[in-house]
Amino acid sequence: QLVLTQSPSASASLGASVKLTCTLSSGHSSYAIAWHQQQPEKGPRYLMKLNSDGSHSKGDGIPDRFSGSNSGAERYLTISSLQSEDEADYYCQTWGTDNWVFGGGTKLTVL
Amino acid sequence: EVQLVESGGGLVQPGGSLRLSCAASGFTFSSYNMNWVRQAPGKGLEWVSHISSRSSNKYYADSVKGRFTISRDNAKNSLYLQMNSLRAEDMAVYYCARDPNPGGSYFDYWGQGTLVTVSS
Repeated sequence: QLVLTQSPSASASLGASVKLTCTLSSGHSSYAIAWHQQQPEKGPRYLMKLNSDGSHSKGDGIPDRFSGSNSGAERYLTISSLQSEDEADYYCQTWGTDNWVFGGGTKLTVL
Repeated sequence: EVQLVESGGGLVQPGGSLRLSCAASGFTFSSYNMNWVRQAPGKGLEWVSHISSRSSNKYYADSVKGRFTISRDNAKNSLYLQMNSLRAEDMAVYYCARDPNPGGSYFDYWGQGTLVTVSS
């Protein structure tokens, strides 16, 4: 079964960097994922697609502070030079033949 | 500029029906697969349904299969979700989202959402 696992919460200081993790279920380590950001009281916003080889393509207007990487079944979203507006929920998403799956989301707090 | 604007949400009693719409602009709607995604209060995102660009393929989450029907009108640049036999657990903000790849993949643009409240 295709499942994405995310830690429920993360925190980091203003100006620092943070690395969020999304783990693909067993047998699905070659899958690409996408990262989405949801700021409080707003709809989701697409950040990037992250392929299994580590290459990624960002959405329109996404700053260079956002980057993606991977290791095995883990997919990462790194945000550098954290700003207050980065405080949000971050969701990873992937897809199968006839289903689309979201991780449970990580709530990022900027201290 | 790509825009997706949902409408049609509101208060409905359990067992009732509602039809959501999503008006698309800023891109060639007929060339893209589309999806509905929902978010219950205080919860995460849940994929609901997918429709291919020419309506040839339609998929549903198990939680809504047999109750919800996705459709589109490419001439009107519009996506729809007919929701029947609504339950308390269907209460959520419903988003439409564009899928940029013909084979089905991720969502690159989202609407702002429309709230569906199921309550007696």
